[in-house]
Amino acid sequence: AQSVAQPEDQVNVAEGNPLTVKCTYSVSGNPYLFWYVQYPNRGLQFLLKYITGDNLVKGSYGFEAEFNKSQTSFHLKKPSALVSDSALYFCAVRPSTDSWGKLQFGAGTQVVVTP
Amino acid sequence: KAGVTQTPRYLIKTRGQQVTLSCSPISGHRSVSWYQQTPGQGLQFLFEYFSETQRNKGNFPGRFSGRQFSNSRSEMNVSTLELGDSALYLCASSLAGASARETQYFGPGTRLLVL
Repeated sequence: AQSVAQPEDQVNVAEGNPLTVKCTYSVSGNPYLFWYVQYPNRGLQFLLKYITGDNLVKGSYGFEAEFNKSQTSFHLKKPSALVSDSALYFCAVRPSTDSWGKLQFGAGTQVVVTP
Repeated sequence: KAGVTQTPRYLIKTRGQQVTLSCSPISGHRSVSWYQQTPGQGLQFLFEYFSETQRNKGNFPGRFSGRQFSNSRSEMNVSTLELGDSALYLCASSLAGASARETQYFGPGTRLLVL
């Protein structure tokens, strides 16, 4: 069975500083990995995904994520955080053999960016 | 292109009642998945529909059901509501759900409160 862990409930960062949100996964076979962001009273917005190829994936709003197979990690990063990046971030995984819905989500990490 | 739409956005029901939630996918998307989001359990997969057929189902009791229409719109129904059914119900659509690499795009959700 696949699983996703986001070890930090909350990440606090000052505006302009680098932001990192951690994610580790466990899945049989090759993983497909996703990051979503959720603002208050909103649904999930897609940020980026890793399917295959380059380990560094670039996504929306200046976010990027690094896939590390040996460490089974897929950390989300942003070089310079903005106050507007304050939101709830979710990492999700699907095994390559599962094609019918069912994203497995982590518990989420609340990001707080202070001015 | 319009995003995923869900109606209603907010709903208050009492225990024992039933409820129907609606989801219209992005135009051209034929796969619709449903998720339940609660503070305690996080994001959990309910079921996925494609071409009016349920292809995958999560670990929820039979009180939770769904269907999909020929225009890909989907509804989910919860019968005999319990207090624990209070949650944000999210709908997501993807092109065909034929590959695990497809991105799911989420609607704003329906917030259900059971009293």
